[in-house]
Amino acid sequence: ETGVTQTPRHLVMGMTNKKSLKCEQHLGHNAMYWYKQSAKKPLELMFVYSLEERVENNSVPSRFSPECPNSSHLFLHLHTLQPEDSALYLCASSLFHRLAGEEGELFFGEGSRLTVL
Amino acid sequence: EDKVVQSPLSLVVHEGDTVTLNCSYEVTNFRSLLWYKQEKKAPTFLFMLTSSGIEKKSGRLSSILDKKELFSILNITATQTGDSAVYLCAVEAHSGAGSYQLTFGKGTKLSVIP
Repeated sequence: ETGVTQTPRHLVMGMTNKKSLKCEQHLGHNAMYWYKQSAKKPLELMFVYSLEERVENNSVPSRFSPECPNSSHLFLHLHTLQPEDSALYLCASSLFHRLAGEEGELFFGEGSRLTVL
Repeated sequence: EDKVVQSPLSLVVHEGDTVTLNCSYEVTNFRSLLWYKQEKKAPTFLFMLTSSGIEKKSGRLSSILDKKELFSILNITATQTGDSAVYLCAVEAHSGAGSYQLTFGKGTKLSVIP
């Protein structure tokens, strides 16, 4: 248990559906992240929020829309996805956005396994 | 473009063996290198390395960084079946304007058989 909770753990959706992934941390961290993990590919950073402000957006298609209402919660809203978007979506948090010393390591959630039909 | 390459991509060993996992990188404005263990879903933090030549150790795991040759190794001695996992290497670098980027390698899948 890392202190970062993601729901749902599994999601199957059609290309025309709208769904959301949720991430919650109660570690008192100030930065939260969305990563995409596809088979045989490195973890890809999608979005970074620091103190509820988006600080990184790594050329992610607009069909992925993040939302950070407060420092403990992060959402990823999904609409009109493509089959190639099927992947494990990992949420992570860290004390600060800048990985400063041993306190800066990322704490990952268990991930949401997304399948787009 | 920042690049992190891990080798081997997969490895099968017997319990009790010692393994060495490799991570080489090419990044601009290097800040730190991190190792994670991913068993089922959530990667868990192992080590953060910022200085060359200083070994970090935790039980049977140890890691060292060479900033001149741009690589790091992760050693696991007396392997156990519980060490079976994907080991991820990530490099943190300044990406400009006070922000930082973490680039991951593809991982090394380690399987320890009894």
